[in-house]
Amino acid sequence: DIQMTQSPSSLSASVGDTVTITCRASQSIDDYLNWYQQKPGIAPKLLIYGTSSLQSGVPSRFSGSGSGTDFTLTISSLRPEDFATYFCQQTYTTRTFGQGTRVEI
Amino acid sequence: QVQLVESGGGLVKPGGSLRLSCGASGFSFSGYYMSWIRQAPGKGLEWVSYISSSSTHIKYADSMKGRFTISRDNAKNSLYLQMNSLKGEDTAVYYCAREGVYNVFDIWGQGTMVTVSS
Repeated sequence: DIQMTQSPSSLSASVGDTVTITCRASQSIDDYLNWYQQKPGIAPKLLIYGTSSLQSGVPSRFSGSGSGTDFTLTISSLRPEDFATYFCQQTYTTRTFGQGTRVEI
Repeated sequence: QVQLVESGGGLVKPGGSLRLSCGASGFSFSGYYMSWIRQAPGKGLEWVSYISSSSTHIKYADSMKGRFTISRDNAKNSLYLQMNSLKGEDTAVYYCAREGVYNVFDIWGQGTMVTVSS
């Protein structure tokens, strides 16, 4: 099975900062890498699919990049509503999530 | 309005069984793969199982194989998860999700809590 490793597990940032979260797959997953945002007590929300495609309605300050095994999620100009936990996911074979990155104030 | 609504969660004793349901509305349910995902309290997301639109392709996470069974009824716009031989570590919120392009989970239900405890 493909393992997904996210880093860091948590980070502290301020409003207006740019933050980067990385996700590494244990083997190549082509571009089948997706990102989700989750706030406490609420179901996750899809942000980015296929490595870099923005889901409809998601602000353009969110962006994704990468290929093969190494991927990044970048949030530019962090806003108060962006403080949440972010998960990467591979859907190249079955489906596997990373362990999550908590973005804190 | 595109919506998924889970039901069937609750408290069950270790070794017991539970059947979760997920009702879909606002989209053509029969045209989509569907998945179950769970999240233990304070933990990350764990994919459980997926089922193809016509039920011909089914996959499970290794830790759920043999105990959980996914199924669907396209006539009723419903997805199911039969869980047997439940253990304490199965305690979690269980979500159903629609799979879109790249097999992403583009629509999620609100989740249903399953607690396995004596």
